[in-house]
Parts: sequence; structure tokens; C-alpha cells
Amino acid sequence: GDSVTQTEGLVTLTEGLPVMLNCTYQTIYSNPFLFWYVHYLNESPRLLLKSSTDNKRTEHQGFHATLHKSSSSFHLQKSSAQLSDSALYYCALSDRGSALGRLHFGAGTQLIVIP
Amino acid sequence: ETAVFQTPNYHVTQVGNEVSFNCKQTLGHDTMYWYKQDSKKLLKIMFSYNNKQLIVNETVPRRFSPQSSDKAHLNLRIKSVEPEDSAVYLCASSLDWGVQDTQYFGPGTRLLVL
Repeated sequence: GDSVTQTEGLVTLTEGLPVMLNCTYQTIYSNPFLFWYVHYLNESPRLLLKSSTDNKRTEHQGFHATLHKSSSSFHLQKSSAQLSDSALYYCALSDRGSALGRLHFGAGTQLIVIP
Repeated sequence: ETAVFQTPNYHVTQVGNEVSFNCKQTLGHDTMYWYKQDSKKLLKIMFSYNNKQLIVNETVPRRFSPQSSDKAHLNLRIKSVEPEDSAVYLCASSLDWGVQDTQYFGPGTRLLVL
């Protein structure tokens, strides 16, 4: 079945350093959509960015990700971490195969940015 | 304001009690969902509701049941809560059932079962 694997657990970064959160997926379908959702403390989870186009960079709010179907990856990157980036990040996969809820979420990666 | 609204924010109860959580979306979406976010922050889909069709995750215990009066409302009832039900319950909606559709989440209801 479909699955999503993310950088595990907690990532702690010093402000100003680059952010790289890994996401790989498994699906039998050739045209999945990949999403990154961000969940800030005391707020609702919300979409950060999404893509279904192979090898095309998608950007939003300083973050970017590129879907690589050859390696089944959709890593989230940012050139310079800010304190306000501290949050829980979920990678998610959507494809025609899921009748239930479309989105298969990874386990989440907690990012903490320190001064 | 257009968004997904949930009540209550927080609920504490004892084992065996019945609880109900409300969810309303004013986005005009056709599809709604309930997720459980456990203590390890894992997000698990519980139910999806689209065009009066309810799809249930077969791993969800029968004491959980969704209730919908119209496409803007999807409530969640837990008949007899157990300690492992302690979690944050997140409601979400999406425009439709498409693969590309973004899901919009509410702020969640935190349940603590004593």
C-alpha cells in the first residue's frame, strides 16, 4: 500500500542554517500528488506546498521542494532557517488509490530553530 | 470568516462516558474528514464524508461514529471513551474528492480521558 517516510522525530537547527527535511514515498500509481503541511503550535495544520510535476521546483514562503519520481522523493528545503519556522512538518501523498481520505501522512518531523 | 471551526477546544472526561465534538466549515467544500493526532503526533484518518457517502477507516473502533446534517457539518461521537482515545481530533475539509485537493484543517479538539 501507499506509504510516506519522513526524517524521523526531532530536528534542531541554529538560525540561519539551511533546512532539509526528507520525504520519500511508495505508491503504485504513476501520478501522485505530494504535499507538505505545517502545524504551528496552537494553530491549525495548513498547506505549505504541493506538487505533482516531476522535476519541477515548487516554492512558497521561502520553502521549496522538488518532486523526483525517479527516487520517489519530495524533500523540503529552505536556505536559511528562521526562529518562526519552528513547527511540526508533515509530508503527505495523494493518489487515485485511496478511497478513504486521499492523503497518506508521514509521521511528521518536529523542527526547532534555536538562536 | 471562511474556515473550519471546531468545538470544544478541550474536553476532559472519564472512562465510559459519551462525548461529541462538532465541526463546521464555511468554505463551501463538499468533502469533510476526521483525523486523530496521537501523542506521537501521528495523523490517522478516521472518516471521510463526500456527497452523502461515508467512508470509514476499518481500524477505527465501533464506539466512534460520525454524524452529518449537511455538507458543512461533520460531528464526531464517541460512545464510551477509553484511555487510548486521549488525543487531538482534527476536522478537515476539501473542495472535492480530487487527488490534488488541499485539505483545510480546524484547530482541533483535545480530548483527555481519565
